[in-house]
Amino acid sequence: DAGVTQSPTHLIKTRGQHVTLRCSPISGHKSVSWYQQVLGQGPQFIFQYYEKEERGRGNFPDRFSARQFPNYSSELNVNALLLGDSALYLCASSLIGGTQETQYFGPGTRLLVL
Amino acid sequence: AQKITQTQPGMFVQEKEAVTLDCTYDTSDQSYGLFWYKQPSSGEMIFLIYQGSYDEQNATEGRYSLNFQKARKSANLVISASQLGDSAMYFCAMRDDQTGANNLFFGTGTRLTVIP
Repeated sequence: DAGVTQSPTHLIKTRGQHVTLRCSPISGHKSVSWYQQVLGQGPQFIFQYYEKEERGRGNFPDRFSARQFPNYSSELNVNALLLGDSALYLCASSLIGGTQETQYFGPGTRLLVL
Repeated sequence: AQKITQTQPGMFVQEKEAVTLDCTYDTSDQSYGLFWYKQPSSGEMIFLIYQGSYDEQNATEGRYSLNFQKARKSANLVISASQLGDSAMYFCAMRDDQTGANNLFFGTGTRLTVIP
């Protein structure tokens, strides 16, 4: 079975632009979470979605938004990009996003903001 | 607030030897989960092992075991018989079971290098 897939793998943007990152969960998984990993640090939680509803949100500004589609895939949108948004963006999926579940991560999208 | 501390920025181990990666955590909650993930240079976070706060036995998964000491709030990862492919970043993470959201709090990681 395919794991979590993310696209694109790499992306270069300039300050002020917006970006859309995409994620497809493991087949059968209905919950998707997004994390930001800045160089030299551990991942930081941004959003969790389950059944198209936002279940949790980390400490990120409103420039960050996300949504989940009926097929459980998800998009992360970042507006008005800043240099500090340069990071590896990781998507993780789990069955129903329950608090007892393990999350499985995709390969990530490397975003560079110039 | 939840906090994960990994005090070893880098570790070296000889091939076929065992190595322990340290992790301490801070939480006031009674129900939580502890995880270890491996991150190769490719970037993908690979799940290794899980320990629930109410689990009495230390978790084991193949060559990986988790040394869980609840009173000390530590959850160290032990890798036995190290292999060259074990060279990677290793992250300890904690899930707070009280928030209702399945979000993980990660430490800053330990870079493990296996020496032939």
